Amino acid sequence: GENVEQHPSTLSVQEGDSAVIKCTYSDSASNYFPWYKQELGKGPQLIIDIRSNVGEKKDQRIAVTLNKTAKHFSLHITETQPEDSAVYFCAARGNAGGTSYGKLTFGQGTILTVHP
Amino acid sequence: DGGITQSPKYLFRKEGQNVTLSCEQNLNHDAMYWYRQDPGQGLRLIYYSQIVNDFQKGDIAEGYSVSREKKESFPLTVTSAQKNPTAFYLCASRAITGNTIYFGEGSWLTVV
Repeated sequence: GENVEQHPSTLSVQEGDSAVIKCTYSDSASNYFPWYKQELGKGPQLIIDIRSNVGEKKDQRIAVTLNKTAKHFSLHITETQPEDSAVYFCAARGNAGGTSYGKLTFGQGTILTVHP
Repeated sequence: DGGITQSPKYLFRKEGQNVTLSCEQNLNHDAMYWYRQDPGQGLRLIYYSQIVNDFQKGDIAEGYSVSREKKESFPLTVTSAQKNPTAFYLCASRAITGNTIYFGEGSWLTVV
């Protein structure tokens, strides 16, 4: 099955700096890669996603890049703010038609702390 | 409001007792999921269902059971066979034609 590795496990930055979180996946058939933000005691919220036919996607201060050849994808947050502090999870989903379709495999999470 | 409702938010049970966590969604989504989250770890899939009256085991199904009698409901039972049941449980759903999986607010289960 799919295996997703996420690094770093913790990340501390100063307000205004950029933050980068990286993930690698094992199944070359995976075709959808979402990023979730989870605040303490709450469910994860989707912040951005990317499909395998796209190399980069941006939404205001956040962006995701995908390298299919190397099987890794990254989350970039620019001009970080204290309210960006949370746990961030990457995930990968298997290809349509397979038994794993619709199943997301998650990375281990990154605790991001933005200091004022 | 549209969304996914999990109840209860906090639940305490004695070891050896079965407990059922409720998950209801009014998003008209076909697919529903149960994930388990432990401190410092990612989310692990317990069970999922893509249509009513059908469900499949995820990666850590042992000690858990589910039912999908109605489209909007996907309850999870944590049985006494689950060796380490204390965790944060998350229910999720997805439209069968969409990519995005939406999560509920979670249920904390503590077994003492």
